[in-house]
Amino acid sequence: DGGITQSPKYLFRKEGQNVTLSCEQNLNHDAMYWYRQDPGQGLRLIYYSQIVNDFQKGDIAEGYSVSREKKESFPLTVTSAQKNPTAFYLCASKPSTSTDTQYFGPGTRLTVL
Amino acid sequence: QQPVQSPQAVILREGEDAVINCSSSKALYSVHWYRQKHGEAPVFLMILLKGGEQKGHDKISASFNEKKQQSSLYLTASQLSYSGTYFCGTATGANNLFFGTGTRLTVIP
Repeated sequence: DGGITQSPKYLFRKEGQNVTLSCEQNLNHDAMYWYRQDPGQGLRLIYYSQIVNDFQKGDIAEGYSVSREKKESFPLTVTSAQKNPTAFYLCASKPSTSTDTQYFGPGTRLTVL
Repeated sequence: QQPVQSPQAVILREGEDAVINCSSSKALYSVHWYRQKHGEAPVFLMILLKGGEQKGHDKISASFNEKKQQSSLYLTASQLSYSGTYFCGTATGANNLFFGTGTRLTVIP
């Protein structure tokens, strides 16, 4: 069964703690993305990666970090430097061709207490 | 580069039609439409490439006016299952998508 998985679905953390959100895909997609969504807002790009061992900052990268050691995995770490981390986080992936669309995982809702 | 969507919200009765618009200030290569249910991931609906094509399936279709850098999503004879937030994502080339803030569609019996 091909797809994108994110875990966990709900995550609670205390303020000041780093937390890592998982994103795995078995679609053999080259590009992977992390978005943040706040209530009533659109999707804002945090980081993206076009190939393994390479990634680029998106519009709101401050306070976040990523790695891309394997093609199928693109974990996102929300650090204590992120001032307002409570949000819905979505991971997406797409094949390498420009005309293909992005496909989203089920999302992780992070709540920082 | 974020596209602008309108309207922000719309309420329909079952069977009514709706149009959701997406416009950009940049020359577009493609427009991608998604629907998102509350608390879930956006689901891909369709992609339109520059060339002014129109696409559709079932009672949901879309057009892309390359000259105006606008796309419209048409929902006809709406069903309760159409409720959700509709997003357009725009691309100016072989690069990232920029998403609008969404249009919340509510279909009532």
